[in-house]
Amino acid sequence: KAGVTQTPRYLIKTRGQQVTLSCSPISGHRSVSWYQQTPGQGLQFLFEYFSETQRNKGNFPGRFSGRQFSNSRSEMNVSTLELGDSALYLCASSPRTGNEQFFGPGTRLTVL
Amino acid sequence: AQTVTQSQPEMSVQEAETVTLSCTYDTSESDYYLFWYKQPPSRQMILVIRQEAYKQQNATENRFSVNFQKAAKSFSLKISDSQLGDAAMYFCAYAYRDDKIIFGKGTRLHILP
Repeated sequence: KAGVTQTPRYLIKTRGQQVTLSCSPISGHRSVSWYQQTPGQGLQFLFEYFSETQRNKGNFPGRFSGRQFSNSRSEMNVSTLELGDSALYLCASSPRTGNEQFFGPGTRLTVL
Repeated sequence: AQTVTQSQPEMSVQEAETVTLSCTYDTSESDYYLFWYKQPPSRQMILVIRQEAYKQQNATENRFSVNFQKAAKSFSLKISDSQLGDAAMYFCAYAYRDDKIIFGKGTRLHILP
């Protein structure tokens, strides 16, 4: 089976712009979770989608949003980018919530 | 609320030696999962080992083993015969049913040649 894929791998944006990141889970996995990883804050949970519904949500402002499509692919969107949004954004898929997660390579977002 | 604590931000070990990474967690549940994930520099995060709380036997995967102390809510990872390829950030994680998985802040492990 193909692993979790994330596109793009690298992204440079400027403050105030918006960005959309994409994640394709492992075939058959219905749960997709998103994390923000920074050196200072570690791995922070953004949200989780299961069968197109948001099941869990972390403590991020409303500028961070996501969705999941019927084929389980997921996107996350960050609007009005801030410098502090610079991070590695990881996507992970799982057969179901709470189970072992399989991570993608991440999208490295730099906000200038 | 459940929490996961890794008290060692960084550790170093000599190649071929044994090292133990600590993890404690807090939960009021009795049936849950615990994981150790490894994130090598600039590489993907992968699962190292997994423990089901209802199983008393400690999980083992080759050179990796855990010491699961349910009453003490402790879940340490032991790496035997450390190799240069073991250098990575290690994350301890907790999962309960349909709740989100909770990760610790990680321990960066350095392997000294």
